[in-house]
Amino acid sequence: DAGITQSPRHKVTETGTPVTLRCHQTENHRYMYWYRQDPGHGLRLIHYSYGVKDTDKGEVSDGYSVSRSKTEDFLLTLESATSSQTSVYFCAISELRENTEAFFGQGTRLTVV
Amino acid sequence: SQQGEEDPQALSIQEGENATMNCSYKTSINNLQWYRQNSGRGLVHLILIRSNEREKHSGRLRVTLDTSKKSSSLLITASRAADTASYFCATVLYGNNRLAFGKGNQVVVIP
Repeated sequence: DAGITQSPRHKVTETGTPVTLRCHQTENHRYMYWYRQDPGHGLRLIHYSYGVKDTDKGEVSDGYSVSRSKTEDFLLTLESATSSQTSVYFCAISELRENTEAFFGQGTRLTVV
Repeated sequence: SQQGEEDPQALSIQEGENATMNCSYKTSINNLQWYRQNSGRGLVHLILIRSNEREKHSGRLRVTLDTSKKSSSLLITASRAADTASYFCATVLYGNNRLAFGKGNQVVVIP
């Protein structure tokens, strides 16, 4: 298995509080992604990174920010959590080469009450 | 809008039967990938097919790609109970490394 770890695995937080999810990799892959998975929607891309300090928005980026200060870490922050952000969040990594697979973390289940 | 849209269906089949699921996409792609997700787990890569390929095999998996119709199919032959999972297609667009997923197909293999 690729070395990719998400933390925490589960979190319950209150509406309006900031939340940070962490994705850590030991594979030195250039690309890192954050997705959310909701019933009926599949996986939707929130933000992704193509290098240290290089990030871009995905299709559902509102209410989320990311940072990547080191190759191995990609942080996802919910500035002020809302109930609509209750979801399962997945981090993925891939290499630079275009024809290559992505490796996924085990997911973080976030509940905003 | 999402690239990679599976035919939204839940398949329930008997062990030993074949399972087929389809995926369509909207714009030009570099490659198309299929992933499996077991309940409560992360996604696991199954197979990748490049835009200049038409068919690919990996064990009991067969993937086809029709770029003229912008569609792909995944066939699982001789299914097993362990194949019970959700299956997602994902596309990589030309010029970037964004991986866009469809909504997934749920497959249940009955022993």
